[in-house]
Amino acid sequence: GENVEQHPSTLSVQEGDSAVIKCTYSDSASNYFPWYKQELGKRPQLIIDIRSNVGEKKDQRIAVTLNKTAKHFSLHITETQPEDSAVYFCAASSNNNNDMRFGAGTRLTVKP
Amino acid sequence: NAGVTQTPKFQVLKTGQSMTLQCAQDMNHNSMYWYRQDPGMGLRLIYYSASEGTTDKGEVPNGYNVSRLNKREFSLRLESAAPSQTSVYFCASRGSTGLGQPQHFGDGTRLSIL
Repeated sequence: GENVEQHPSTLSVQEGDSAVIKCTYSDSASNYFPWYKQELGKRPQLIIDIRSNVGEKKDQRIAVTLNKTAKHFSLHITETQPEDSAVYFCAASSNNNNDMRFGAGTRLTVKP
Repeated sequence: NAGVTQTPKFQVLKTGQSMTLQCAQDMNHNSMYWYRQDPGMGLRLIYYSASEGTTDKGEVPNGYNVSRLNKREFSLRLESAAPSQTSVYFCASRGSTGLGQPQHFGDGTRLSIL
């Protein structure tokens, strides 16, 4: 089955700096890669996703890149703000999504 | 629309007790999922239901049972709770139109077993 590894487990940045979180996956059949943000005590919420037919996707300050050859994908947050502080999860799945596997999470702290 | 609704939000059980976690979605989604979330381990799939009338095991099914009551509702049952089942449980649903659709999560049930 799919195995997703996520690094780093914790990340602390200064407000305004960029943050990068990296994930690797094992199953070459995976073709859908969502990223979720989870604030303390809240539900995971989708912030961006990418499908294997594209290499990069941007949404304002958030971008995701995908390298299918190397089986890794990354989340980039620019101009970080204190409200970006949360746990971020990457995930990978194939077409039916029923095999989705999540990374262990990255706790991002943005210091004002 | 409420999205995905889970009940209860909190529960404390004694070892050996049973209980059922309820989940309902109002998005007309075909697929529904139960995850558990433990510190440092992300979200692990317990069971899922790809459509009404079907259920399948996920990554960590031991000690749990599920019922897809209808298209809206998907319940998770602990027959004899164990301390190792102390966790936060999330229900999720997903539409099945098109490839690579995101899962939508409920607010979670925080379960402690003494």
